[in-house]
Amino acid sequence: NFMLTQPHAVSESPGKTVTISCTRSSGSIASNYVQWYQQRPGSSPTTVIYEGNQRPSGVPDRFSGSIDSSSNSASLTISGLKTEDEADYYCQSYDSSNVVFGGGTKLTVL
Amino acid sequence: QVQLQESGPGLVKPSQTLSLICTVSGASISSGVYYWSWIRQHPGNGLEWIGYTHYSGSTYYNPSLKSRVIISVDTSKNHFSLKLTSVTAADTAVYYCARTLNDPNWFDPWGQGTLVTVSS
Repeated sequence: NFMLTQPHAVSESPGKTVTISCTRSSGSIASNYVQWYQQRPGSSPTTVIYEGNQRPSGVPDRFSGSIDSSSNSASLTISGLKTEDEADYYCQSYDSSNVVFGGGTKLTVL
Repeated sequence: QVQLQESGPGLVKPSQTLSLICTVSGASISSGVYYWSWIRQHPGNGLEWIGYTHYSGSTYYNPSLKSRVIISVDTSKNHFSLKLTSVTAADTAVYYCARTLNDPNWFDPWGQGTLVTVSS
């Protein structure tokens, strides 16, 4: 089985850009799609990125996803930060026998 | 638009069986493309996939929970259910249901979640 490791917390100022990493412990990050979910307090998760770099309709293009095979990690980048982006963000991927979520990253926009 | 709603007891005694239902509206659960999932979130913690099912009856479970989980579909009621046996306090969590697109295993949308507490 594999794990997805995210930083526990990141913070940045409004208008700036932040990147959240998600490192896969074993198996290639490129072998299976990665999704990213946003969870605001008291709410259920919603998708901001699916299939590595695709945005669902309604998600602003300030959100982007990428894969780096050299570090075996995926990244979520949010540009032009807004206070409304403050939330927990989870990466998620899978292999042939399991679906795994990262531990989540708390984004503070201050 | 598709909506999912969890329902079931909010309190379960240790060693008993946790039972939840997820009612789907705005789409047929018999749509061949989608699977239907259960995911939980322990208080203050991250997300854990429990398993998913297809209307055909195919099921896939998290290996760590497989021995205690049953997920099933009732197409006549357009809902699916979760049964988790022999619960302990460690099973206290918010339980979410979600529609799933198999490969990429994308969960969207999610229900609002329901808190289940295991306590005597």
